[in-house]
Amino acid sequence: QVQLVESGGGVVQPGRSLRLSCAASGFTFTSYVMHWVRQAPGKGLEWVAVVYNAGNYKYYADSVKGRFTISRDNSENTLYLQMSSLRAEDTAVYYCARDRKIGYGPFDYWGQGTLVTVSS
Amino acid sequence: QSVLTQPPSVSAAPGQKVTISCSGSSSNIGDNYVSWYQQLPGTAPKLLIYDNNKRPSGIPDRFSGSKSGTSATLGITGLQTGDEADYYCGTWDTSLSAGVFGGGTKLTVL
Repeated sequence: QVQLVESGGGVVQPGRSLRLSCAASGFTFTSYVMHWVRQAPGKGLEWVAVVYNAGNYKYYADSVKGRFTISRDNSENTLYLQMSSLRAEDTAVYYCARDRKIGYGPFDYWGQGTLVTVSS
Repeated sequence: QSVLTQPPSVSAAPGQKVTISCSGSSSNIGDNYVSWYQQLPGTAPKLLIYDNNKRPSGIPDRFSGSKSGTSATLGITGLQTGDEADYYCGTWDTSLSAGVFGGGTKLTVL
């Protein structure tokens, strides 16, 4: 069965960096486009970034562009989100999600999420 | 402010029907497929509807979706207390080259 397991969340000070991981199993990782979606406490869903199968095409939300980098290691079936210059408004549960089709969604499988708290 | 607009809340009695609207623009809903997600309290979102009106396997036919122009609608019939959740519409925005969601609608089954 498809499984997505995020890790790497925690408490980090403003301006610092953090790297999230998402371990994928139960499907052919290289066949799927992958996304990160976040949800601030008590708020709605916010799309963060997408990376295509070979890792060559990437798109970002304006709110994270230039600070976050999405990447993937197809040999390890793992998706990453490198977050730098973190701000209080980046505090959220971060979900990795599999794209059912070619990169425009929908997101057919989601991980359980990992909480990132940016606070001094 | 979300790119897609949903009502903050809707409510109905068990067994009744409810609809949730999602309004966008020509660069998102007007140009791409719409999907709907259900988020039960404390859990990750779950895909309910994709490609405007298709249901993944395992999703009951009480859930339906439609799209017209730059708006989409989620319908739920035969409401159950277990349907109480937050519902989100989502799509791609061609102009932004970004995924977009609605702000979410909290469904209360009275």
